[in-house]
Amino acid sequence: SQKIEQNSEALNIQEGKTATLTCNYTNYSPAYLQWYRQDPGRGPVFLLLIRENEKEKRKERLKVTFDTTLKQSLFHITASQPADSATYLCALDATGGSARQLTFGSGTQLTVLP
Amino acid sequence: EAGVAQSPRYKIIEKRQSVAFWCNPISGHATLYWYQQILGQGPKLLIQFQNNGVVDDSQLPKDRFSAERLKGVDSTLKIQPAKLEDSAVYLCASSPMNNEQFFGPGTRLTVL
Repeated sequence: SQKIEQNSEALNIQEGKTATLTCNYTNYSPAYLQWYRQDPGRGPVFLLLIRENEKEKRKERLKVTFDTTLKQSLFHITASQPADSATYLCALDATGGSARQLTFGSGTQLTVLP
Repeated sequence: EAGVAQSPRYKIIEKRQSVAFWCNPISGHATLYWYQQILGQGPKLLIQFQNNGVVDDSQLPKDRFSAERLKGVDSTLKIQPAKLEDSAVYLCASSPMNNEQFFGPGTRLTVL
């Protein structure tokens, strides 16, 4: 059966360190994968999109990798700040790129400690 | 640019009652999505519209849920009758021709 797993429900790190979040999937062949941030009581906010033919994408302090052989994406936040504390959702294209439709993981709650 | 608007923000009803949620997407976005997010889980797609046509409603419990998008703009999602397990946040999202989705704040539904 199809499955998306994010590494852990909660991750605590010290301010200034690099946070690394994992997204593993099985029985999907996504054309792209996205990462979203969700704060309590709010809708998800888009962060980054990476396509199947891209190994790595960067945006400011964020970096995403995509390994279609391992069926895994890693999401890194460098020089983390308390303001980065939120739930981070991995979402992948469930239709091979045809219908712009996403299937979401259950998220990892990140807490950056001052 | 105004974001995706949803109302109401909160709704409490008793089981077997009916409820409706409203969504106004970002102007010009052709694709509109409704998601259900149960506490501790990621959003689950219920229905996807392209303009005012349904692209996918395979995960919509059609015996009790219905949705429409009139004139390809605003959309409503209705539950009739509600069950306890429908307690969740209902998120509306819209998307332009690329793949990024813009989410509204959601409606938190509690069914007692």
